[in-house]
Amino acid sequence: DIQMTQSPSSLSASVGDRVTITCRASQSISRYLNWYQQKPGKAPKLLIYAASSLQSGVPSRFSGSGSGTDFTLTISSLQPEDFAAYFCQQSYSTPPTFGQGTSLEIK
Amino acid sequence: QVQLQESGPGLVKPSGTLSLTCAVSGGSINNSNWWSWVRQPPGKGLEWIGEIYHSGSTNYNPSLKSRVTMSVDKSKSQFSLKLSSVTAADTAVYYCARVGKGGLLGFVFLDYWGQGTLVTVSS
Repeated sequence: DIQMTQSPSSLSASVGDRVTITCRASQSISRYLNWYQQKPGKAPKLLIYAASSLQSGVPSRFSGSGSGTDFTLTISSLQPEDFAAYFCQQSYSTPPTFGQGTSLEIK
Repeated sequence: QVQLQESGPGLVKPSGTLSLTCAVSGGSINNSNWWSWVRQPPGKGLEWIGEIYHSGSTNYNPSLKSRVTMSVDKSKSQFSLKLSSVTAADTAVYYCARVGKGGLLGFVFLDYWGQGTLVTVSS
């Protein structure tokens, strides 16, 4: 299985901050990388697919980049509703695997 | 707007079989999408269990393959998960999700999710 490693595991930030979360794959996955947001007690929500494509309805302050083994999710200006957990997921090979998650907390 | 809803027992005894159903509405289960199950132990990360196509074709996570069976009922627009020989390690919130597709290279992702259902394995 392809291992996905996110950093940091947790992050404290303030409203208006620019935040970057990193995801690293144990082998090259081209651009087969998705990002999800999960709020407590809720299902994950797709934010970004194919490393940098914004899912319909997702605010433009979210962006993704990277290819191969290294990827980033950036939130350009944090809003109160963005405090949540974020997961990356590779869809390059079966089984699809997720990162362990990054918890974004209010400073 | 596609909607998914999981249902099934919230408590299963050790060594028993976990059985869940996902009802699909707002879209056809017979289209070109695959349908997936994902689980999340309390306070932990996400694990892909497997996926099924409306034809009945399946792909399972090798780590669970010996215990997993998925099926689809097109007449009821629903698909199901069975996980046998459960232990406390199978306690988790179980989600069903649609596998969406995008781009020319066939990128896939989970674009619609059910709300999730907590299944506890305990005697």
